[in-house]
Amino acid sequence: AQRVTQPEKLLSVFKGAPVELKCNYSYSGSPELFWYVQYSRQRLQLLLRHISRESIKGFTADLNKGETSFHLKKPFAQEEDSAMYYCALSPFSGGYNKLIFGAGTRLAVHP
Amino acid sequence: EAGVTQFPSHSVIEKGQTVTLRCDPISGHDNLYWYRRVMGKEIKFLLHFVKESKQDESGMPNNRFLAERTGGTYSTLKVQPAELEDSGVYFCASSQFDTNYGYTFGSGTRLTVV
Repeated sequence: AQRVTQPEKLLSVFKGAPVELKCNYSYSGSPELFWYVQYSRQRLQLLLRHISRESIKGFTADLNKGETSFHLKKPFAQEEDSAMYYCALSPFSGGYNKLIFGAGTRLAVHP
Repeated sequence: EAGVTQFPSHSVIEKGQTVTLRCDPISGHDNLYWYRRVMGKEIKFLLHFVKESKQDESGMPNNRFLAERTGGTYSTLKVQPAELEDSGVYFCASSQFDTNYGYTFGSGTRLTVV
């Protein structure tokens, strides 16, 4: 079955501390992985996708097919990073597909 | 450009009543998606329109849910009759390009069935 697991509902850190939001997936093929973010009172928006290997707002995520993980990392958290983060999987490479989301992790960055 | 618009933003209805949610995608976006987040759980796919056609409706929970997209523009999602377990946030998203480029989401409709 296709599934995305985010084991932490809440991650609380202090400003300047490293952050790692965990994401594991279950899928037999070669999925595309994404991180979406929802800031307070804003819409859900794409943060980054593994195919582009980009760093957005200091966040990076590496796809580890052996561990079926796509953890989101940032070396130094900022207060403005506080938000709800969702890991998502697209079952097919390319095309117009549904996304399979995890339950989300709320990141709280304290001053 | 205008974003994806959803209304109402909130709806509180009694069990057994009917509710219709509306989504206006970004103009020119052929792909329109409906998702739902039940409290504390993951965001789940409901269905996908390409223009006015249902491309994938595998996520629709049961026949109390009816989605339409007349003329390939706005879409409606009707729940009739509503049950308590239908409570949650219903998201609409649209896209012009394939999924790897990301969707543009609406702000969601929070539905509470009492």
